[in-house]
Amino acid sequence: EDKVVQSPLSLVVHEGDTVTLNCSYEVTNFRSLLWYKQEKKAPTFLFMLTSSGIEKKSGRLSSILDKKELFSILNITATQTGDSAIYLCAVRNNAGNMLTFGGGTRLMVKP
Amino acid sequence: SAVISQKPSRDICQRGTSLTIQCQVDSQVTMMFWYRQQPGQSLTLIATANQGSEATYESGFVIDKFPISRPNLTFSTLTVSNMSPEDSSIYLCSVAWAGDYTGELFFGEGSRLTVL
Repeated sequence: EDKVVQSPLSLVVHEGDTVTLNCSYEVTNFRSLLWYKQEKKAPTFLFMLTSSGIEKKSGRLSSILDKKELFSILNITATQTGDSAIYLCAVRNNAGNMLTFGGGTRLMVKP
Repeated sequence: SAVISQKPSRDICQRGTSLTIQCQVDSQVTMMFWYRQQPGQSLTLIATANQGSEATYESGFVIDKFPISRPNLTFSTLTVSNMSPEDSSIYLCSVAWAGDYTGELFFGEGSRLTVL
């Protein structure tokens, strides 16, 4: 059974801080790892990672995957209050398109 | 990308009743999934909705409790049957295209159910 563990469970920072969110996984026939941001109900897609060591970047957010150690990190620099959300990590195996989600990290950015 | 409409957006239900959630996509999609997110929890896959055949349920979920229909490539329904307060959750429809290696799974806006 595929398994995804995220840490920390929650995090409170102040605007301007840099945060690192962690995601470790166990999956049979790994295909990809995805990061989502969930503010209200619907998660919105951030990144998909398939190869080790290649950083994906979008503005202040970046992510990297380590397939040897089976983990990924999501970095957010110069945090803003609008970054407050739950960040979800999910993995997909080669069996299909469904995702196995981690428990999420709840990030709160204070002014 | 896809526009996914779910309804109802939210509802308050009485114990013992059933509610059907609809998911409409603006384009034909290969894969449709139903997820549940209980309060303070992450997303858990309920089932894969298969067009024209019975849904494929994940461990812990059964058809009698969560009957699913998918009559065509753009529409699916999830029914939460004989509801109890433990069924209070957000239910999310999601879609993907088989062979789509971009990896993105699109989500509907979710349906927040509260069972009294």
